[in-house]
Amino acid sequence: QVQLVQSASELKEPGASVKVSCKASGYTLTDYPINWVRQAPGQGLEWMGWINTKTGTPTYAPGFTGRFVFSLDTSVSTTYLQINSLKAEDTAFYYCARIGRGPGWYFELWGRGTLVTVSS
Amino acid sequence: EIVLTQSPGTLSLSPGERATLSCGASQIVGNNYLAWYQQKPGQPPRLLIYGASNRATGIPDRFSGSGSGTDFTLIISRLEPEDFAVYYCQQYIRSPQTFGQGTKLEMK
Repeated sequence: QVQLVQSASELKEPGASVKVSCKASGYTLTDYPINWVRQAPGQGLEWMGWINTKTGTPTYAPGFTGRFVFSLDTSVSTTYLQINSLKAEDTAFYYCARIGRGPGWYFELWGRGTLVTVSS
Repeated sequence: EIVLTQSPGTLSLSPGERATLSCGASQIVGNNYLAWYQQKPGQPPRLLIYGASNRATGIPDRFSGSGSGTDFTLIISRLEPEDFAVYYCQQYIRSPQTFGQGTKLEMK
């Protein structure tokens, strides 16, 4: 079954770091780039950027530079989102998403999301 | 960045009725690179439509998308109880990709 399996929810204190994982199952990770999307509680969707799964090169959307880091480990078919120096406003669901087979980068396959809660 | 504005913010309808959701773009969305997603509480978004009018795999034919340029529409021809959710449009012609703020489709 083709799916993206994300890590469990996290509770962190302000200033800490968190690393969210997204494992590709049922297909070859390097065949498609992986995108990351943030959704604050009760809010809309924000595209954070993507990682080239062939080269490991990340691209960050405006507003997601500096504290946010995309990485991957192809040996375990997994991509990662690390957020450093966590702030309360980072509390959100974080989704990984894979593009479809058609032209353009619409998101055909989504992980179930990882809730990161930042609170003291 | 291309700003997408969805209307209405909330749409109250009954099962069996027709739903019309709109998505307006601040710039032309070339190649009709416009997608629609459905999101239910506690679930990730689900792709419904890509390329403005192409149904994704497994999406019932009561869902249809249309439009070009800066004006796009999602129509649900006859609402089923499971269709009540939040709907988002997304443009993917220009980086950064952007989403509309969503339309909540609620049961009257």
